[in-house]
Amino acid sequence: DIQMTQSPSTLSASVGDRVTITCRASQSISSWLAWYQQKPGKAPKLLIYKASSLESGVPSRFSGSGSGTEFTLTISSLQPDDFATYYCQQYNSYSLTFGGGTKVEIK
Amino acid sequence: EVQLLESGGGLVQPGGSLRLSCAASGFTFSSYAMSWVRQAPGKGLEWVSAISGSGGSTYYADSVKGRFTISRDNSKNTLYLQMNSLRAEDTAVYYCAKDSSKDGIWFGELGVWGQGTTVTVSS
Repeated sequence: DIQMTQSPSTLSASVGDRVTITCRASQSISSWLAWYQQKPGKAPKLLIYKASSLESGVPSRFSGSGSGTEFTLTISSLQPDDFATYYCQQYNSYSLTFGGGTKVEIK
Repeated sequence: EVQLLESGGGLVQPGGSLRLSCAASGFTFSSYAMSWVRQAPGKGLEWVSAISGSGGSTYYADSVKGRFTISRDNSKNTLYLQMNSLRAEDTAVYYCAKDSSKDGIWFGELGVWGQGTTVTVSS
């Protein structure tokens, strides 16, 4: 299986900060990467697909980039609603795998 | 509005069985592949299984292969997960998710998720 490694595991930031989360794949996955946001007790929500495409309805402060094995999720100006856990997920192979998650906390 | 509603979770003893259901509405169910994803308490997300829109192709994580069976009834707009030989490590919230691809082929982009149903395996 393709291993997905996210960093950092926890991130403390303030409202208005620019935040970047990194996801690395153990082998090339082209651009077959998605990012999800999950709040406590809730289901994950798709934010970004195909590495850089913004899901409909997702605020434009979220953006994704990368290809091959290195990817980033950027929040340009952190808002109170953005404090959550973020997961990357590869779909280059039939066996999907997720990163371990990055919890974005209030500083 | 697209909605997914899971049910069937509960407490089961190790070695026991459980069948989860996911009732879908708001879209043409047979046109989309579907998936189950689970999350153990305090842990990350783990993909479990997927099925094509027609039901003709199924996919499983190694951790559940041979114990779990995914199926669907397109006449009832319902997805199922039959779980046998349950272990303590199967304890999790189980989510069903709709694939984004419209052609019914398993793609892996999980565009819509249900709210989940909790499975606890314990004696």
